[in-house]
This record gives sequence, C-alpha cells and structure tokens, in this order.
Amino acid sequence: QKEVEQNSGPLSVPEGAIASLNCTYSDRGSQSFFWYRQYSGKSPELIMFIYSNGDKEDGRFTAQLNKASQYVSLLIRDSQPSDSATYLCAVNQGGTYKYIFGTGTRLKVLA
Amino acid sequence: DAGVIQSPRHEVTEMGQEVTLRCKPISGHDYLFWYRQTMMRGLELLIYFNNNVPIDDSGMPEDRFSAKMPNASFSTLKIQPSEPRDSAVYFCASRTTGGNQPQHFGDGTRLSIL
Repeated sequence: QKEVEQNSGPLSVPEGAIASLNCTYSDRGSQSFFWYRQYSGKSPELIMFIYSNGDKEDGRFTAQLNKASQYVSLLIRDSQPSDSATYLCAVNQGGTYKYIFGTGTRLKVLA
Repeated sequence: DAGVIQSPRHEVTEMGQEVTLRCKPISGHDYLFWYRQTMMRGLELLIYFNNNVPIDDSGMPEDRFSAKMPNASFSTLKIQPSEPRDSAVYFCASRTTGGNQPQHFGDGTRLSIL
C-alpha cells in the first residue's frame, strides 16, 4: 500500500512566524505533489502544486520537493491566524491519476 | 465559473435506508473522483471515472456501495443498505486530462446514519 505520512500536529506557531509542514511518501513513481488546506467543516482547497525538485514560491507559500529523499514540504511565511487549518499533502500514485492523501497536519497560528 | 456541485449538503437517515449522493463536475473536466473522509481514516478515494467509465473502484468498501456516471455532467454514489459506520463526509472532485492537473473538490455531503 502506497503511503503518505504527515505529522498530525497540532503545530502551533506565533503570528508572523514561519510555519513548516512536512510530508513523506513511499511511491518512487509519484510525479505530482499537492498541498491542500482544509478549514473545519469545509472542503479541501488547493494551495500549491509542485512537480520538479527544488522550491516553488507563490506569495507567502513555498513548496519544496526532494524526490531522492521522497520528501515534500510547505513553508508559510508571515503566518496569520487565518492560516489556522488542516493542511493535506496529496501525492499521485505513480502512473495513475489517483491521489493518496496524508492524514493532514493541523496548524494553529496564535495571535 | 461554477465549481463541483454536490447534493445534498447534509443527509440524516436511518440504518437500512438507501442513500444517494449526487455530483456535478466542473464543465470540461473528464475525471471524476469520489472520496470519503472520517476522523479515523482521513480522506480515502472510493472510485474514479474517466470519460464516464469507472477506472478504479478498489476503494469501494463493499458491495453496499455503488457509483455511476451516466453522462459527463452527473454522477451518483449509492449506499444500500446504509449502516451507522458509513457516517462520514463524502466529497466529489474533478479534474481535466493532461499534465499534472489538480483535483477540485465540491463542498461535500455530510452523511449521518442513525
């Protein structure tokens, strides 16, 4: 069974700090990596996607991918209380359009 | 543009009843996915379709669950008979073909089986 692992948290950071969320995956054939944000009682919302090794920046968000280490991370700079949510890592199962989701990391940004 | 539309938003029914969840994907999206989310198991893929054809139903928990996609703009997930352990939030998502396109989720159906 292909797996995606995330620390469930909660990860608590003060407002204005950098939040670092991590994800490891087992399928070396995976090509696509996604970060979704899910507020309580809401549906997952796409934040970032990354396909190539290295960093990808979008506003306050940076996704980092290291395929050799099978590791993907999300950095949130200048964290705001509104960033408090569960962050889901999703990885495609190699050769398919299926995503495997991690169980999510709950982030709390303290005002 | 309209997103993925699911109905109903909430469903409460008694054990043994038939439950039908509905989904309208984003226009032009040719992949449709059904997920179930619980606190214990997180977000699990149940089944997905490409061009209305089921591709992988390995996540469907048992024969009580069935899914159909009669046309490009409509899909159903049916549970018959329903059991309390089926209580969860069910999400539908869709995407386009090609490259590494993301999936877009509907608002979900919160299902409670009493």
